[in-house]
Amino acid sequence: ILNVEQSPQSLHVQEGDSTNFTCSFPSSNFYALHWYRWETAKSPEALFVMTLNGDEKKKGRISATLNTKEGYSYLYIKGSQPEDSATYLCAEDQAGTALIFGKGTTLSVSS
Amino acid sequence: KAGVTQTPRYLIKTRGQQVTLSCSPISGHRSVSWYQQTPGQGLQFLFEYFSETQRNKGNFPGRFSGRQFSNSRSEMNVSTLELGDSALYLCASSPDRVSYGYTFGSGTRLTVV
Repeated sequence: ILNVEQSPQSLHVQEGDSTNFTCSFPSSNFYALHWYRWETAKSPEALFVMTLNGDEKKKGRISATLNTKEGYSYLYIKGSQPEDSATYLCAEDQAGTALIFGKGTTLSVSS
Repeated sequence: KAGVTQTPRYLIKTRGQQVTLSCSPISGHRSVSWYQQTPGQGLQFLFEYFSETQRNKGNFPGRFSGRQFSNSRSEMNVSTLELGDSALYLCASSPDRVSYGYTFGSGTRLTVV
């Protein structure tokens, strides 16, 4: 099972800034791409699941895009708020195997 | 609606002992997966079960085993504990992970001393 890579590893922004993270995945056996938000002292929470090349999904100020041909996904947060502080995980759903997670991007938003 | 329930929340064991962790998925979810989280390593896949059958297994030694019961509850067992087994163990369930993603439990924090 090849690795899912996320960058940057951590990020610190000011309240109101917009930001984005990258998830790259081996696309040879792609089935779906998941994004999760993991806040401190809580459980990971599903944000998006995307399956088709060119997919775009939005939830409030958070959106994600998917490029299966080149094997990457972007997560965007518009106008970051302190409550957006969390670790954001992406995971590749590879056909016939389990969900494989990246190590995450930890976002810290200062007010 | 009850979430994914993991017991116990915290556990301290001695090297060489064995441990059993329990996971009760959301009612109606037949798929249960287990992950290990250690600092710097992210979520490492352990097992996936569906309707009492192990569908996938991660790259862990044979000391790690699991099972799923007819009511979809799942257990994982670690025998001959090592210090490196200290980690947060997360269980996740889903009715259809491509449509809904996973719902995670709060985890069991295992410390091996």
